[in-house]
Amino acid sequence: DIQMTQSPSSLSASVGNRVTITCRASQSISSNLNWYQQKPGKAPKLLIYGASILQSGVPSRFSGGGSGTDFTLTISSLQPEDFATYYCQQSHSTPMYTFGQGTKLEIK
Amino acid sequence: QVQLVESGGGEVQPGGSLRLSCAASGLTFSSFDMHWVRQAPGKGLECVAVISYDGSKKSYADSVKGRFTISRDNSKNTLYLQMNSLRAEDTAVFYCVREKKGADYYFDYWGQGTLVTVSS
Repeated sequence: DIQMTQSPSSLSASVGNRVTITCRASQSISSNLNWYQQKPGKAPKLLIYGASILQSGVPSRFSGGGSGTDFTLTISSLQPEDFATYYCQQSHSTPMYTFGQGTKLEIK
Repeated sequence: QVQLVESGGGEVQPGGSLRLSCAASGLTFSSFDMHWVRQAPGKGLECVAVISYDGSKKSYADSVKGRFTISRDNSKNTLYLQMNSLRAEDTAVFYCVREKKGADYYFDYWGQGTLVTVSS
């Protein structure tokens, strides 16, 4: 099984800050990496797929990068609505995909 | 627009059974592989079962293999998860999820979730 490890597990930042979350795969997954945002009590929402492709309707302040085993999610200028938990997911090893453990982004 | 609506959650004793349903609308249901993803309270996301668009292929997480069965009825646009021999550690919100396949594979639509509580 492919293991996904996110860092940090939690992060405090202020509105307007630039933040980066990292996701590492236990083996190469090419660019088969997706990012989701989850707010309390809500279902996850797809932000980025294919490591760097922004889902329709997602603000351009979100961006993704990386390939192989190391990936990043960057928010260029944090907005109040961005405080949430973020998950990476590998979609390389079908059909059962695995998620990272999550990164909780909190307001400083 | 696409809607996935789960039902069937509730409280059950250890060793008991529950059947979850997911009613899909706004999509050609029979064209998509579908997943059940769960989230234990305060924890992360876990894919527990997946079924191919035509129901011919099914896969399960090791944690539920032999206890859970995924199925679908494309004539009713409905996905199911039969859960037997439930354990306390199965307590979670269960989401019905559509998988989009193209050049990339990802989960683009999620239901609102249904809570399963296993407790004596």
